[in-house]
Order: sequence, then structure tokens, then C-alpha cells
Amino acid sequence: GAGVSQSPRYKVAKRGQDVALRCDPISGHVSLFWYQQALGQGPEFLTYFQNEAQLDKSGLPSDRFFAERPEGSVSTLKIQRTQQEDSAVYLCASSPGWEKLFFGSGTQLSVL
Amino acid sequence: GIQVEQSPPDLILQEGANSTLRCNFSDSVNNLQWFHQNPWGQLINLFYIPSGTKQNGRLSATTVATERYSLLYISSSQTTDSGVYFCAVRANFGNEKLTFGTGTRLTIIP
Repeated sequence: GAGVSQSPRYKVAKRGQDVALRCDPISGHVSLFWYQQALGQGPEFLTYFQNEAQLDKSGLPSDRFFAERPEGSVSTLKIQRTQQEDSAVYLCASSPGWEKLFFGSGTQLSVL
Repeated sequence: GIQVEQSPPDLILQEGANSTLRCNFSDSVNNLQWFHQNPWGQLINLFYIPSGTKQNGRLSATTVATERYSLLYISSSQTTDSGVYFCAVRANFGNEKLTFGTGTRLTIIP
């Protein structure tokens, strides 16, 4: 597609529910990143993929967070047993290699 | 990890004014990007500028890597320039992630 696509745009979950957030990167982009942005803050790194390999997951806040990119294109960020502190905008970005990152519009997650 | 600080945190200007936004970072970097986050939350990549100077229309950026800072210049501001401007860097010795700064919120008044 023309840009990075994320779905859903908004997600409301009850505390304790599992959620899955999808990212469709720009075709051919090798690198894929997930970031979390709390209200009024800058994006915080969660995890990084190069093709299907998850090379860095140091930013995942707990073992309730899991990300995958099984075929090296679409990626899914899964959050199990959601908590109120998980409420944030989740941003996906892709890059052809080393230089510029291109971000999607994000998924705004609200945990009630 | 690397620290990234931006100044000023907030800036309110009249339409047509010029502005300079600053980004300081604590370690040597091999990647530096400026982003504009519009009021709808979309992050737009403005510049990839690990060193040197670039210009794109009314916007220009300069990075002095040896002194660990970058500047973003906006000339003849328009209301559509409003939003939050982020600088993001990748440390020379580390992993692949970009670390974002604290942001500058720019408001342009008609």
C-alpha cells in the first residue's frame, strides 16, 4: 500500500481482556518497529523486527506483551490480560533499511 | 541509554513568524530524524539528518554531530505547522531503535 496501515484505529477493552493490534507496513520494507505513546509523551520503543526475525524486544513492558511478524510483512502486537496502564496509542513504523522511519496512524487503546 | 532533550517545550507564535527548535543528545549518533505529529496524531517524517544541513521548502534542519545538537528552522509559519515536533536519534553504539525526545509543542495563531 501507499503507507503504513494500522487497525483498528480505536480499541476499547475491559480490564483483563486480550487484544491484538495489526500493522501492515509499506511493501518491501525490511524493518518494522512498534512504539507506545502515552498522552503528552514522546513515543517509547517496544520492539523491532528485521524481516521475520524479532531482533530486539527490550522495550516490551511485561510478558503480557507479545509481537510477531511470521512472514516478514504484516505484524501483530498482542497484549494479554490488559491493564489500565496499557492505555496508550500504539504506533507501528516501517523502514526500507537504515534511514527514514514511516509511521502509521496508530491504534488508540483504552482499557476500562 | 541515550538522552534526548528538546527545547522549548512549548512555543506559541503568530502566523508568519519564524522559529527555531533545538534537540540536544547525550551521545554520538548515526541516525537523527525530525518528525511532526499533527493534531490527529499522525507522525510525519520531516528530515533524516545525522549531520549537515538540509532544506525542504519553509523547513530546514542542521545537525552538528560533534557538538551533539540539531536545529529545526521553520520560516513564515502557517497554522498547519501546529503540532508537536519530535527529534529522534539512534546511538552509534547500541541497538536499532530510535529514541525520541521530549517534543516541542508549536501553536501557530492566525
